[in-house]
Amino acid sequence: GAGVSQTPSNKVTEKGKYVELRCDPISGHTALYWYRQSLGQGPEFLIYFQGTGAADDSGLPNDRFFAVRPEGSVSTLKIQRTERGDSAVYLCASSLQMQDTQYFGPGTRLTVL
Amino acid sequence: GIQVEQSPPDLILQEGANSTLRCNFSDSVNNLQWFHQNPWGQLINLFYIPSGTKQNGRLSATTVATERYSLLYISSSQTTDSGVYFCAVSGGSNYKLTFGKGTLLTVNP
Repeated sequence: GAGVSQTPSNKVTEKGKYVELRCDPISGHTALYWYRQSLGQGPEFLIYFQGTGAADDSGLPNDRFFAVRPEGSVSTLKIQRTERGDSAVYLCASSLQMQDTQYFGPGTRLTVL
Repeated sequence: GIQVEQSPPDLILQEGANSTLRCNFSDSVNNLQWFHQNPWGQLINLFYIPSGTKQNGRLSATTVATERYSLLYISSSQTTDSGVYFCAVSGGSNYKLTFGKGTLLTVNP
C-alpha cells in the first residue's frame, strides 16, 4: 500500500515568510510524528499526534512553529516568520498505534534564504 | 531524556565483508528501531526490536534490553548497503523517538 507522503518535496523561501508543510500518513495510522533533520545529524523530534490531539509538542523550538491534524489524518506543520536557522529536512512518520513501528516519509527540504 | 550512543561513527568495508553496529541507550525502552538512510535521504525501516532477535535476509539485529544495548549485523555486505544507519529509541510512557548520531557505512567494490 501507499507509504507516508509529504509535500512539497522542496521549499525555498525568504527570511520572514510563512510556510506550510503537509504530511499524509499511511491510511489507518492513528499516530503521526514530525521530526527535523539538520545536515550531518540524526532526526530530532518536534511533535506527535494521537488522533487529532497533540500528545507531545515538547520538541517545537519556539512559538513560531505550530502543527495541526484536524481530522486525525493529514497534518500540516506551520512555520511563521521563517529564519535561516529553520533550514533543514522536515520528516513525518506515522504508526498504527503509538507503540508500533514508525514509518517515515521522504521529507520536505526547507531552505530559508 | 533518554540518551543514545552509536558506534562506530564511520565504517569502511570491502564488498563481501561482515560488520556489527552497536547502539547503547541510557534507560529502559518501549521502542527501538534500526533505520538505513539512503543517499536520497529516505529513512528505511530495518527492524522494530525493543527486545529479542530478528533476522531479515543478510541483516539481523539483537536487543538486550536488560543491558541497554542493541546490535545490527550486516553479512556479505554489498555496495548498496552504503549509507547512514540510525538507531532510535523511545521509553517510558513516551513514544517520541530519540536518534543516535548514526554510523556512516561505506562498502567499496
